[in-house]
Amino acid sequence: GESVGLHLPTLSVQEGDNSIINCAYSNSASDYFIWYKQESGKGPQFIIDIRSNMDKRQGQRVTVLLNKTVKHLSLQIAATQPGDSAVYFCADPNTGGFKTIFGAGTRLFVKA
Amino acid sequence: DGGITQSPKYLFRKEGQNVTLSCEQNLNHDAMYWYRQDPGQGLRLIYYSQIVNDFQKGDIAEGYSVSREKKESFPLTVTSAQKNPTAFYLCASEGRQLRNIQYFGAGTRLSVL
Repeated sequence: GESVGLHLPTLSVQEGDNSIINCAYSNSASDYFIWYKQESGKGPQFIIDIRSNMDKRQGQRVTVLLNKTVKHLSLQIAATQPGDSAVYFCADPNTGGFKTIFGAGTRLFVKA
Repeated sequence: DGGITQSPKYLFRKEGQNVTLSCEQNLNHDAMYWYRQDPGQGLRLIYYSQIVNDFQKGDIAEGYSVSREKKESFPLTVTSAQKNPTAFYLCASEGRQLRNIQYFGAGTRLSVL
């Protein structure tokens, strides 16, 4: 079946540094991806999305890059803050119908 | 405030007991979902519903049941047939305007006594 996967289960960065969280997907037909952030004890929240007609999309301190050739996307967080500590999921809603595939998540730790 | 509400936040189940997790949304969303999350893992789909009075099994539906009698409500029952129910349960909804973006509740943590 189709899948999405993250390269690292945990990532530790110094406060103020940039963070990069990676994700690979298997479905070549996927044309839309979503990143969610889940803080401890809470449900995931939408951060940013990207369609396949774009290579890059920027939000507030976050940027998502999409490389369709190697089926890889990344989430970059600029000037990482303690409030960015969370688990980040990439998601592929392109599986048909209403089903979305979520990656296993990368837990981001921010060191003060 | 519009949103999706799960209750209770914590729930304990005794052996052989059925328990029901509540999920209510006032976002006027048609689709609703139940996911199970185990430590260090992603979200696994239990059941989903695209419309009132209709629902489909997800990837791990065994031992669970749902109903969708109202658009706003999608309760999940964890039955005694679910032998390993300890997990964090997340409910989500999705609207037609922002198709594919799911809005999640705060979750229910279920433990076995």
